[in-house]
Amino acid sequence: GAVVSQHPSRVICKSGTSVKIECRSLDFQATTMFWYRQFPKQSLMLMATSNEGSKATYEQGVEKDKFLINHASLTLSTLTVTSAHPEDSSFYICSASPDWGQGYEQYFGPGTRLTVT
Amino acid sequence: AQSVTQLDSQVPVFEEAPVELRCNYSSSVSVYLFWYVQYPNQGLQLLLKYLSGSTLVKSINGFEAEFNKSQTSFHLRKPSVHISDTAEYFCAVSFRNKLVFGAGTILRVKS
Repeated sequence: GAVVSQHPSRVICKSGTSVKIECRSLDFQATTMFWYRQFPKQSLMLMATSNEGSKATYEQGVEKDKFLINHASLTLSTLTVTSAHPEDSSFYICSASPDWGQGYEQYFGPGTRLTVT
Repeated sequence: AQSVTQLDSQVPVFEEAPVELRCNYSSSVSVYLFWYVQYPNQGLQLLLKYLSGSTLVKSINGFEAEFNKSQTSFHLRKPSVHISDTAEYFCAVSFRNKLVFGAGTILRVKS
């Protein structure tokens, strides 16, 4: 149980285009979903926290107009990287916190490798 | 603010040898502590967690970690490692339902 999927697993896009990444909780409802970014050989950095039906809360330094987050349902959150540039290339990981948990539990997706050419 | 320090970026060890991955945290309030493991090009998997109670917590695959409040540490140990334990290990603290991660330690098990 507590499985989180991400799609796509890998994506290559051209500079200036937008790309959408989906994060789904497959067997539970998630009150909160988180989006992280991981640079090579570095730790995960929290980008934003999203709650179903409300606007995402972005961490300091993260451009909300560039990284659009939509949490339309209790099982789906999407991250759209708008007008992508090579410096946006990274490994993006989502996590979901179940509605039956105590808030501290997060289950992670397998990640999406974004390459901007 | 909360922070996590993993002192070793890489730990090489021979198969069947013991290993300790160190983690220290900084927090002015009580936090929950976690160890996650990440295999190449994959997401994170929860290895074990400390919430309260017994300070020694164990995973199903032989890892254990001990919460030491006085030293603000949560070191991860395994008495005998396998090749399959090769991965990156992240220590994290949870505060207000947000996770703060350490920089990670790459465990390389050699035959």
